[in-house]
Amino acid sequence: GNSVTQMEGPVTLSEEAFLTINCTYTATGYPSLFWYVQYPGEGLQLLLKATKADDKGSNKGFEATYRKETTSFHLEKGSVQVSDSAVYFCARLSGGSYIPTFGRGTSLIVHP
Amino acid sequence: ETGVTQSPTHLIKTRGQQVTLRCSSQSGHNTVSWYQQALGQGPQFIFQYYREEENGRGNFPPRFSGLQFPNYSSELNVNALELDDSALYLCASSLVGDPIGEGYTFGSGTRLTVV
Repeated sequence: GNSVTQMEGPVTLSEEAFLTINCTYTATGYPSLFWYVQYPGEGLQLLLKATKADDKGSNKGFEATYRKETTSFHLEKGSVQVSDSAVYFCARLSGGSYIPTFGRGTSLIVHP
Repeated sequence: ETGVTQSPTHLIKTRGQQVTLRCSSQSGHNTVSWYQQALGQGPQFIFQYYREEENGRGNFPPRFSGLQFPNYSSELNVNALELDDSALYLCASSLVGDPIGEGYTFGSGTRLTVV
């Protein structure tokens, strides 16, 4: 079946540290891949996406590259800020489908 | 342009009761999807409505049902509530054919607690 696996949190970092949140997906079909962010008390917001192998999605300093060979879509940011503290969700959507599969989320806590 | 609005924000119900959650879609959107997000988990797709009809369903029992109205707003109804139904229920609106792309907008959710 379709699944998404994220690293367990919380991830705790100091401001300006480098961030990596791992995400792997099942290779069924040719999915599109997404990262969503959920700030406290809010709904999910699309952060970035990639629709085919080797695509790099980027937004607000965050990046993720669609790696077909390792079935991964790891989220990275070179220098995190306190305002990046949130829960991050990796998601996949198979071609022709409108039913996404989300990972369980990874909480990021950034200290000043 | 308004976003997706859900009501109520919090709700406490007793096991066996019925509950109705409401969602107003973003202006210009004609499709509404509902998700269940249990604590510490990712959102799980319940169903989607388009043109006032169910357009797809996830792995949820029939006691989860919904409606979409001509103004594209939607309701999620859950009958015979169980303790495991306690979760954050998210609504997302979009234009048909734009699944979780840039135009897919989530509401802040309704926190349902079943006791």
